[in-house]
Amino acid sequence: AQSVTQPDIHITVSEGASLELRCNYSYGATPYLFWYVQSPGQGLQLLLKYFSGDTLVQGIKGFEAEFKRSQSSFNLRKPSVHWSDAAEYFCAVAATPGGGADGLTFGKGTHLIIQP
Amino acid sequence: EAGVAQSPRYKIIEKRQSVAFWCNPISGHATLYWYQQILGQGPKLLIQFQNNGVVDDSQLPKDRFSAERLKGVDSTLKIQPAKLEDSAVYLCASSQAGNTIYFGEGSWLTVV
Repeated sequence: AQSVTQPDIHITVSEGASLELRCNYSYGATPYLFWYVQSPGQGLQLLLKYFSGDTLVQGIKGFEAEFKRSQSSFNLRKPSVHWSDAAEYFCAVAATPGGGADGLTFGKGTHLIIQP
Repeated sequence: EAGVAQSPRYKIIEKRQSVAFWCNPISGHATLYWYQQILGQGPKLLIQFQNNGVVDDSQLPKDRFSAERLKGVDSTLKIQPAKLEDSAVYLCASSQAGNTIYFGEGSWLTVV
């Protein structure tokens, strides 16, 4: 069975500083990996996804993530955070490219706090 | 393009009462999902439909939860009777042909 671990429940970053959110996955075959963001009171918005090819993936809002098969990781990064980035971030894994065939398995999320 | 629509957005009920949530997926999306997101946790898949057929309902507590998608478009999720531990956000999502899943804003349930 597939699973996702997000080791950090909360992370606090100063505005303008760089950010890295950790994600480790467990899956027997080729994983399809996703990062979603959830702002307070809102649904989930897709930030980026990894299917194959280049292991560094660019997403919306200036985010990027790097797939490292040897470490079973898919960490999310941003060079300079803005106050509007404060939200809950979820890493997810699926067995199919869009996650659509059998749904997504999510981690428990990382709550990002931005200090002024 | 309109997104996934859900209603009601917020509901407070007493335990042992019933509640129903409605979802209208993105037009043309054959696959529809209901996820449960308990506070402090990631979303958990409850049920997945392909058109009007159930693909996976292995994590749906069938003694109290039911869901249907009669015409292959809209869907309803019902809880009867509700328990305190059912307090959560119920997220509906849809996708087409195994592609990216799009989520609605969720229905927030508080059971008191």
